[in-house]
Amino acid sequence: GAVVSQHPSRVICKSGTSVKIECRSLDFQATTMFWYRQFPKQSLMLMATSNEGSKATYEQGVEKDKFLINHASLTLSTLTVTSAHPEDSSFYICSARVSGGVTGANVLTFGAGSRLTVL
Amino acid sequence: GQQLNQSPQSMFIQEGEDVSMNCTSSSIFNTWLWYKQDPGEGPVLLIALYKAGELTSNGRLTAQFGITRKDSFLNISASIPSDVGIYFCAGRKPGGQNFVFGPGTRLSVLP
Repeated sequence: GAVVSQHPSRVICKSGTSVKIECRSLDFQATTMFWYRQFPKQSLMLMATSNEGSKATYEQGVEKDKFLINHASLTLSTLTVTSAHPEDSSFYICSARVSGGVTGANVLTFGAGSRLTVL
Repeated sequence: GQQLNQSPQSMFIQEGEDVSMNCTSSSIFNTWLWYKQDPGEGPVLLIALYKAGELTSNGRLTAQFGITRKDSFLNISASIPSDVGIYFCAGRKPGGQNFVFGPGTRLSVLP
């Protein structure tokens, strides 16, 4: 089945530094990937839609200059948290839309998530 | 804002009991997905539903796409300790590109 690999799984950084999280589709091509943020005991909040070869689409309230998204190939999307601060500490999860089957219907396959802690 | 509601928010059950949870919306959806998330992990797809009235099973799990297309149900039979986690529903509206997620149902299984 479709597998999405996310790296790193955990990262600790100092305030003011930047952190890059990678999301790879291992055995399929993903023209669209999604980045979510999840706070403890809360649901997934969509941050942005990453489109291969074009600019990402950000949800309302998400700072595009702070959360840089690059989708340079059909198997890789990256999220860079720039000038990170403690309030950016969270669980970041990527997903890719997987299409297939008779109907061409699609589902989302998620990476394992990246826990960011900003000191 | 939140477009999907999940009920119950949390539940504590005894091992071996059956579990029922649901997901409702004021809007019509043409795809329903059910996911389970373990602590510190990404959500894992359990069941996907594409047609109103559809009933689909995956082992001890059974999910149904509500006839009104505004709700979906997930049942777990004979619960075991590894069923512990958060169960999310996700729906996609007709013509929509993105999935919206419910707030989740947190399941605890007591031995």
